[in-house]
Amino acid sequence: KNEVEQSPQNLTAQEGEFITINCSYSVGISALHWLQQHPGGGIVSLFMLSSGKKKHGRLIATINIQEKHSSLHITASHPRDSAVYICAVIFNTDKLIFGTGTRLQVFP
Amino acid sequence: DSGVTQTPKHLITATGQRVTLRCSPRSGDLSVYWYQQSLDQGLQFLIQYYNGEERAKGNILERFSAQQFPDLHSELNLSSLELGDSALYFCASSVGVMGGYTFGSGTRLTVV
Repeated sequence: KNEVEQSPQNLTAQEGEFITINCSYSVGISALHWLQQHPGGGIVSLFMLSSGKKKHGRLIATINIQEKHSSLHITASHPRDSAVYICAVIFNTDKLIFGTGTRLQVFP
Repeated sequence: DSGVTQTPKHLITATGQRVTLRCSPRSGDLSVYWYQQSLDQGLQFLIQYYNGEERAKGNILERFSAQQFPDLHSELNLSSLELGDSALYFCASSVGVMGGYTFGSGTRLTVV
């Protein structure tokens, strides 16, 4: 069983829709990252969370430590948001353990 | 430019060969991490160095080795290459656990 579970695996949306991607993990963590990987392959760190909520532009990330769950929300989605979104957690060392990713496609 | 530099961007080599991937971390970051992303396995942690010392090891094969030099750049050496080693290899750097991560653009290795 993967220590980090993401859902959904694939997601399609129309431009302007509100999008939610979920991440659950199995044990206590030090921090959680949301990463974005574009078709070209590059990975960008969007957020690092250890509690609460963070917002950057149209992106919002939340984490509930007690429930071992995090969500990434995209408001007013746009085709340029099309990418793979990866949740990654840090357990008892500072290496990342990755979820399997959510492939998002936003159509105009 | 993320501040983490990986070279080369692409590498094509034959089975049985040895290659070296290079990573220069973002200025001020002491930790360097190597990750492998293959089609069937997703992103996997290989190894971490902190200020020149090996800090953590993941699913790294014995044919692979790494080191971090005094100037903090790191090299990942892959030897006796097999077709299954074809993957994207990412380097990332951070100040520490809560300092956030910065990824390099990756090296795409193709073993033929």
